[in-house]
Amino acid sequence: GAGVSQSPRYKVAKRGQDVALRCDPISGHVSLFWYQQALGQGPEFLTYFQNEAQLDKSGLPSDRFFAERPEGSVSTLKIQRTQQEDSAVYLCASSSKTGFSYEQYFGPGTRLTVT
Amino acid sequence: GQNIDQPTEMTATEGAIVQINCTYQTSGFNGLFWYQQHAGEAPTFLSYNVLDGLEEKGRFSSFLSRSKGYSYLLLKELQMKDSASYLCAVGYGGATNKLIFGTGTLLAVQP
Repeated sequence: GAGVSQSPRYKVAKRGQDVALRCDPISGHVSLFWYQQALGQGPEFLTYFQNEAQLDKSGLPSDRFFAERPEGSVSTLKIQRTQQEDSAVYLCASSSKTGFSYEQYFGPGTRLTVT
Repeated sequence: GQNIDQPTEMTATEGAIVQINCTYQTSGFNGLFWYQQHAGEAPTFLSYNVLDGLEEKGRFSSFLSRSKGYSYLLLKELQMKDSASYLCAVGYGGATNKLIFGTGTLLAVQP
């Protein structure tokens, strides 16, 4: 069966450009998470959706970061006016239910390089 | 604050047993997760502990002591394909269950 997919897999942006990263979660999964992973580090939480509702955006590093999931399936993470410190792998994860006993399934990530 | 510590690197021999330790101090606790991540790939789920004790799953076992804020992942009969980064993560945030990760332990399995 299909897992979590993300596109593009690689993105190079010039500083100041806007980017949009897409996540297709596993079909029917209620919960969707975005994480940011810098080189040599563990993933860091950015934001969480339950269906279409963004219930937690405490990890978004600045107001340049914006995420949406308008129909409760596909999600887009948008970064405006990219900066070099935004260079990282952006991981999307989905989970079949809410609550703390359910594993998160991760996508392959989008590697963003800001030049 | 939130803090998860695990060794940066470990080396082990094919066929041997290796234990990767993780200590944590977090403001909330929904459970302790271990993920495996090969270079350039997505993290994949290995195990989950919410109660104290040992959970065994094939060649992999994971232990949790909540009072000590301590967990370990035990890998038996090591294979070359086990060379990867192993991420310890704590679930917190109530129903959100966002994960806070350690930096990962890079395991190199040698012949």
